[in-house]
Amino acid sequence: AQSVAQPEDQVNVAEGNPLTVKCTYSVSGNPYLFWYVQYPNRGLQFLLKYITGDNLVKGSYGFEAEFNKSQTSFHLKKPSALVSDSALYFCAVRDGGMGSSNTGKLIFGQGTTLQVKP
Amino acid sequence: GAVVSQHPSRVICKSGTSVKIECRSLDFQATTMFWYRQFPKQSLMLMATSNEGSKATYEQGVEKDKFLINHASLTLSTLTVTSAHPEDSSFYICSAGSPYGYTFGSGTRLTVV
Repeated sequence: AQSVAQPEDQVNVAEGNPLTVKCTYSVSGNPYLFWYVQYPNRGLQFLLKYITGDNLVKGSYGFEAEFNKSQTSFHLKKPSALVSDSALYFCAVRDGGMGSSNTGKLIFGQGTTLQVKP
Repeated sequence: GAVVSQHPSRVICKSGTSVKIECRSLDFQATTMFWYRQFPKQSLMLMATSNEGSKATYEQGVEKDKFLINHASLTLSTLTVTSAHPEDSSFYICSAGSPYGYTFGSGTRLTVV
């Protein structure tokens, strides 16, 4: 069965400092990994994804994530945090063995609240 | 880019009534629609997956007779919460699967009083 773990409920960081939001996963086949951000009472906005290729994935708003197969991790990072980055972040996974179409279900982690203080 | 329009954004209904939530894909065809439920400050719980013209596949523990899903066309899927009760109050989000990726609606805040 697929699963995703985000071990931190909340991450606090000062503006201008680097940030990391952790994610580990479990799938039976090759993982397709995603990061989304959610602002209050809104849907999810796509940040980035890993399907195959380069382990370092660059996404929207200066975010990036590194796929680490041996550690089954896909941590989200940003070199310099902004107050406007404060939001709820979700890591998600689907089993790549279900094919390349986007019809396989995504399983989400429990979410991590990022708080960036001025 | 691909956009999914979800309506209404907020709805308050009386206990025992039914509420319909619509998700419409704009300028693309949604092969598959996923419906999620989210409790405050919690993760998204997948309720069901629907493919156009087929019956929805419900996740374990989700009452299919209570949460009716219709995916009659490649651009429209609806979720109807029947005989709503206060415990159905939640944030409901749809997500369309397509060659563009997974596109999420903006969510519907349902409050049952």
